[in-house]
Amino acid sequence: EPEVTQTPSHQVTQMGQEVILRCVPISNHLYFYWYRQILGQKVEFLVSFYNNEISEKSEIFDDQFSVERPDGSNFTLKIRSTKLEDSAMYFCASSEMGTNGEQFFGPGTRLTVL
Amino acid sequence: AQKITQTQPGMFVQEKEAVTLDCTYDTSDQSYGLFWYKQPSSGEMIFLIYQGSYDEQNATEGRYSLNFQKARKSANLVISASQLGDSAMYFCAMRENNNDMRFGAGTRLTVKP
Repeated sequence: EPEVTQTPSHQVTQMGQEVILRCVPISNHLYFYWYRQILGQKVEFLVSFYNNEISEKSEIFDDQFSVERPDGSNFTLKIRSTKLEDSAMYFCASSEMGTNGEQFFGPGTRLTVL
Repeated sequence: AQKITQTQPGMFVQEKEAVTLDCTYDTSDQSYGLFWYKQPSSGEMIFLIYQGSYDEQNATEGRYSLNFQKARKSANLVISASQLGDSAMYFCAMRENNNDMRFGAGTRLTVKP
């Protein structure tokens, strides 16, 4: 069964460093998303991406975040200058359809900022 | 304002019994989708069930069913015949036309043997 994959599973970085989290969505899906979950808290929407551009972003997704689909398979989240409060689990998801499409989540990348 | 409200931070259920996890939502859109996800202790998010706002019948997927009451804006998840492996966090989520998906705070379900 096709699945969303994410690498790395765990990333440790120093405050102020740039990180890139990678995702490979399901191949025939057109909509891509990033979410984060701070430990013990709820899942928060960051950004949605369709047709090579951001379609929606939350207030969390500020100028230090960016997303890219550099080729036909990868979908990346870049955090330019990490802060301690960026430590969280980051989930990538993809769906075939928009509003009413079931979103399939990847296993997540745990980001730890020291 | 909270878009998705899950009022039960924790729930206990005896193995083999049914349990209902509550979810209420707030939207002015006519078209929206409601989702339930399971998050076991390993951390991954597992899709369980979906209900569209125009669906007249309650969604069912195996032991999961969604008790959709549109006028009350509630979308409760019912798990029948609970199993030990059902112990996990359960998140209700809603997707409106603007594409972003909002999650509730989650309910931690513990199934007792």
